[in-house]
Amino acid sequence: QQQVKQSPQSLIVQKGGISIINCAYENTAFDYFPWYQQFPGKGPALLIAIRPDVSEKKEGRFTISFNKSAKQFSLHIMDSQPGDSATYFCAAAPSGNTPLVFGKGTRLSVIA
Amino acid sequence: DGGITQSPKYLFRKEGQNVTLSCEQNLNHDAMYWYRQDPGQGLRLIYYSQIVNDFQKGDIAEGYSVSREKKESFPLTVTSAQKNPTAFYLCASSIRRGEGEAFFGQGTRLTVV
Repeated sequence: QQQVKQSPQSLIVQKGGISIINCAYENTAFDYFPWYQQFPGKGPALLIAIRPDVSEKKEGRFTISFNKSAKQFSLHIMDSQPGDSATYFCAAAPSGNTPLVFGKGTRLSVIA
Repeated sequence: DGGITQSPKYLFRKEGQNVTLSCEQNLNHDAMYWYRQDPGQGLRLIYYSQIVNDFQKGDIAEGYSVSREKKESFPLTVTSAQKNPTAFYLCASSIRRGEGEAFFGQGTRLTVV
């Protein structure tokens, strides 16, 4: 119930392509869904987040799509760049109850 | 500048020794967390605290201990009871437990030698 399942584990995308990372959850009490970006040797940093009252949120080249009925959400990176190469984590939390639960991460490599 | 400071960045420990990782925040956040990161395992919650002098076990608390004597400080002790302590440890904070953005420190890489 507390798990967030993330796929794929690793992803290689050509420069300029679209990177797509998917996450699924079971706990219907989750109502906050952030994505974190982590570079090697650094701590994760918040990239973008969504709450279930909207189906999509866009910030620059990064978009979260949210499907409440399917209990799935995904991160789309448009026009992927080599500087986007990092590990991406999805997460979820119920409001005011428990800490974030993280997916296992996706290592993205954007190649020229 | 506001943020979370973890120290040291690298730490080496002999088997059988306890070691304490430091985490300090100046964001005036109520909630603080410790996560452990292993390759392919994501971030797993060790302990969290929502207020001074209170803390809760996370999913993998065995072999670890924490204290929260001050709002800005949440040190983690890795005890000799932790069977596989070599990992990357991340401290985080948020305004309140489970709400809003969690800010992470830069991590401490602990290696048992």
